[in-house]
Amino acid sequence: GAVVSQHPSWVICKSGTSVKIECRSLDFQATTMFWYRQFPKQSLMLMATSNEGSKATYEQGVEKDKFLINHASLTLSTLTVTSAHPEDSSFYICSADGLRSEGIHNEQFFGPGTRLTVL
Amino acid sequence: QKEVEQDPGPLSVPEGAIVSLNCTYSNSAFQYFMWYRQYSRKGPELLMYTYSSGNKEDGRFTAQVDKSSKYISLFIRDSQPSDSATYLCAIGDYKLSFGAGTTVTVRA
Repeated sequence: GAVVSQHPSWVICKSGTSVKIECRSLDFQATTMFWYRQFPKQSLMLMATSNEGSKATYEQGVEKDKFLINHASLTLSTLTVTSAHPEDSSFYICSADGLRSEGIHNEQFFGPGTRLTVL
Repeated sequence: QKEVEQDPGPLSVPEGAIVSLNCTYSNSAFQYFMWYRQYSRKGPELLMYTYSSGNKEDGRFTAQVDKSSKYISLFIRDSQPSDSATYLCAIGDYKLSFGAGTTVTVRA
C-alpha cells in the first residue's frame, strides 16, 4: 500500500518549452502533496506544499509563476515547469501525505522522481 | 546555518561491518526524526522514524535521537551489499527538512 507514481520518469525538452509532471497516489487519498527538487549529490529541497482544492504554498525563493502546481483531486497533483531553461534541469520528486498505521503521524510517501533535462 | 547537517560521505565498508550515520539539527521544536534510503535515480523510501528522544530498533537498523544535543544517528549492523545506497536524515513535524545524504557502499 501507499504507492505514489510520477509521470513521466524522465523528460528532455528544449529551452523555452513547458513541461508537466504528474504525481498520483495510487491506493490512498492524499490531502497534501509536496514537491521537491534534488540536484546531483545534494539533498531534497522542498519547493511547495500542495493541498487539494487550494493554492499551493511555495517555499522562499521558488517562483510560483514558473512552477505551477495544481492539486485538483485527492489523488493527483501536477507540477508544470513553464518556459524551462537549462538551469531548471533537475530531479523533481513528489510526496503524498498519508496516515501511518499507528495513526500518530502523517508519513510522506515519495514518488520515484522525474528527471528533467532542458537543452 | 542549515536546518539539518549530515556527516559528509561517502562511506565504504566491508560486508558485515557496522555503518554509523549522523545528523545534527538546529530547531529544537522538532519532534519527528526520520531516516530515508534512496537508490540512484529513485525516490526516497522511509527506513525508520522516531518520535522525540530515544532509541528505536528494527532488525539490523537502530535509530537514536538525542534531543539535548540535537543529534540523530542511524546504525546498520551486519551490513550487506544490498544496503549500498544514499541515506538521508529528515526532520520535521509536517514539512520535512532533509540532510544532504551520505552515500554508503558495502563491499562484498
